[in-house]
Amino acid sequence: QSVLTQPPSVSAAPGQRVTISCSGSSSNIGSNYDVSWYQQLPGAVPKLLIYENDKRPSGIPDRFSGSKSGTSATLGITGLQTGDEADYYCGTWDRSLSGGVFGTGTKVTVL
Amino acid sequence: QLVASGGGLVQPGGSLRLSCAASGFSLSSFVMSWVRQAPGKGLEWVSGLTSIGGRTFYADSVKGRFTISRDDSKNTLYLQINSLRAEDTALYYCARGTMNTLTPFDPWGQGTLVTVSS
Repeated sequence: QSVLTQPPSVSAAPGQRVTISCSGSSSNIGSNYDVSWYQQLPGAVPKLLIYENDKRPSGIPDRFSGSKSGTSATLGITGLQTGDEADYYCGTWDRSLSGGVFGTGTKVTVL
Repeated sequence: QLVASGGGLVQPGGSLRLSCAASGFSLSSFVMSWVRQAPGKGLEWVSGLTSIGGRTFYADSVKGRFTISRDDSKNTLYLQINSLRAEDTALYYCARGTMNTLTPFDPWGQGTLVTVSS
């Protein structure tokens, strides 16, 4: 069972903005562990989107952004495109579990 | 690049050894993980292996049944999975962390499918 909670789905029209929350606790996000975000297109391998809370790997457009505050993190996608339709997951380390943890996942739909 | 292999159909209670061959970098210099995804479900971190010291970590759901290891001479990561259960059916990915931390996971292997069924 995931210890990071995300909304099951979010949707918006092309060109609009969506945000995805990732709610954790004092043993993971709240312990100052960095949060990363992953995009999984249908039938594809997960891909790193954001690391260290707000950094983008080379090749990731600046339409994608990340932030962290307290025990939560947020992924933002602006200028939504049909190619952004995917499942998105947050991830971090949990000191109580002594292991990695992922969010429950959020499906983004472009209307 | 990471290439996973070794998956297959196995009966409940059976065993498998998954492999993840690395190229373009030295696997022993990075923290490595196995992550699985059951059909139609989300990502679940399974196990990790540190670079320095070779410390291992496991999710509670697999502790005592799964063993992570690596062969530096072959630049390959392994996951020995024993006492398989139906709920272990999933696509198993290997993923690289940083030299010092489990996350972020990048890159990921293509995954190898484990199906547990009689």
